[in-house]
Formats: sequence, C-alpha cells, structure tokens
Amino acid sequence: NAGVTQTPKFRVLKTGQSMTLLCAQDMNHEYMYWYRQDPGMGLRLIHYSVGEGTTAKGEVPDGYNVSRLKKQNFLLGLESAAPSQTSVYFCASSYGDTQYFGPGTRLTVL
Amino acid sequence: GQQVMQIPQYQHVQEGEDFTTYCNSSTTLSNIQWYKQRPGGHPVFLIQLVKSGEVKKQKRLTFQFGEAKKNSSLHITATQTTDVGTYFCAGGGATNKLIFGTGTLLAVQP
Repeated sequence: NAGVTQTPKFRVLKTGQSMTLLCAQDMNHEYMYWYRQDPGMGLRLIHYSVGEGTTAKGEVPDGYNVSRLKKQNFLLGLESAAPSQTSVYFCASSYGDTQYFGPGTRLTVL
Repeated sequence: GQQVMQIPQYQHVQEGEDFTTYCNSSTTLSNIQWYKQRPGGHPVFLIQLVKSGEVKKQKRLTFQFGEAKKNSSLHITATQTTDVGTYFCAGGGATNKLIFGTGTLLAVQP
C-alpha cells in the first residue's frame, strides 16, 4: 500500500514551458486535492476533485488546470509556467475529513 | 473569504520547555484538524476535533477546540527534539475542503 505518490519529485522549468504533475493514490479515496506551499503562507488549495470526472477550483486556481479521468489519479497541469509558480506542490486524498498527503514536488521556474 | 491564522509563526525552545500554538478562524468551523510537517517532509495528520470545547490528548500533546468553534490550540509539554517541525491547523467547513493556517515552526534546542 503506497498511499499517495507524486511524480516527479523535482523539476526545473523555463518561463513559458508546460508540464504535468501526476498524483496517484491506492486507497480508493473519492476526494483528491492539489496544494501549493510557499514560505510563510501555509498550504493553499489550487484545485480539488470530489470524484472521478469532476474537478473544482480552490483558492488559487489561476494558471493551473487539472483532470481526474481515473479515480486513482489527479493531474495538475501548468500550460505556461511563470516564476510565480515556483513552489512545493502537494497532492492529498481523503475519504472522510482526514487528508493524506504525498511527498511533494519541488518546482522551480526560471 | 474564510481565513485561518496561527500564532506564533516561529518558536524556539530549549528541550524540556513547553510549547503552545494558537489557531483562529474568521468563521465558525465544523471541525478543526492538526497536522505536523517535519523539515523537508509532507503534512501528516495528528488529530481532529469536532465538538465545542473538546479537549483531546496524545501523550505530551494536548489539543483544544474553542467553545465558539472558531479557535483552537495545541500544547506540547516538555518538548523533545523529535517535536521539531511545522504545526498546521486546518479548518473544516461544509465540504471536504480544508483551510490551512499559516503554520508554526517549532525549533527545539537540545
């Protein structure tokens, strides 16, 4: 039981490049979330999903898109990366109220 | 929108001293959760409080939920070096979304 996994662990992009972050969970959770973590600002919700095929905007959705084609996977896309998107990205999943986090992806946009 | 503030942002203690972090929400919460994030790690669920005035203990950690369900605290008795990390509160509302506080970074000097 791997829990929540994220790929890649690290990535460096140039401004304007695109990329997709993959989150996978093997706990059969309905809910999945993408957060970004910046120094002094805690965790901010980007997008979330309440089930396969559904997505919704969180607190800071601009510049990101998501898809949940399969229940176990939640993809976060950056179409045109900007330096302001340099951050650590965490994926989480939940069945009830408790959220289980992945190890994070550290993204740097130059 | 809903905001959850935590104080202090940073606390440095000598090993054996007590530590408290406080969490305040701008709105009434259905529940409050606490997470711990070790340096370089990901947030890990500690506990959830649901009832007004609820107090829960986990060994040296004591968690309280305010009577108005708008504030909470985490108290650690006799800190140890293993307590180092950032402690986040997270407020739960009507959906499965959480609003995370800004976190308190605890440093423990041996």
